[in-house]
Amino acid sequence: AQTVTQSQPEMSVQEAETVTLSCTYDTSESDYYLFWYKQPPSRQMILVIRQEAYKQQNATENRFSVNFQKAAKSFSLKISDSQLGDAAMYFCAYVGQGAQKLVFGQGTRLTINP
Amino acid sequence: ETGVTQSPTHLIKTRGQQVTLRCSSQSGHNTVSWYQQALGQGPQFIFQYYREEENGRGNFPPRFSGLQFPNYSSELNVNALELDDSALYLCASSYISLMGNSPLHFGNGTRLTVT
Repeated sequence: AQTVTQSQPEMSVQEAETVTLSCTYDTSESDYYLFWYKQPPSRQMILVIRQEAYKQQNATENRFSVNFQKAAKSFSLKISDSQLGDAAMYFCAYVGQGAQKLVFGQGTRLTINP
Repeated sequence: ETGVTQSPTHLIKTRGQQVTLRCSSQSGHNTVSWYQQALGQGPQFIFQYYREEENGRGNFPPRFSGLQFPNYSSELNVNALELDDSALYLCASSYISLMGNSPLHFGNGTRLTVT
């Protein structure tokens, strides 16, 4: 079974600084997708960024980028120029090609210090 | 474009009772999934519905059941509630086609408390 591990329960960063959230996963599949979701106090899961495993190029969305290391099964999220609105729980998630379910990690609570 | 909406936002039930949670999919989506998120944990997959049929199920007992309607809205039913069923229940919709699956779009969830 696939598993996703986030080893940092909490992280904090100064506003305007850069922070990296870690995620590792375990799978025997070769085709899959990885995601980072943000969950603010409003509770809604908001998609931050998506990476297809067959793509070697790391995904980027504005201030958010990933470091995808397929051989190491690592998928970290870098947030540049951190803003107060980035404060939330961040979840790393995995889904196999053609599969129905997302497998989530335990989450990292990110605090932004003004 | 209408997002995923869930009702109610909060619910308190007594152990042994039954509960129905509702979800309206995002416009254009044909698949709905339900997740249970215990406090301080990541969401756990309950099941997915596609074309009104269950299309995959996680490790949840049969007292968790669901429906998907022709307009792609959905219900999650839980019978014989237990204290451990207290959680945030998230609904998510997506579009499945021959070209692949779109990412999930989540609602704001229903907070269920079982006393």
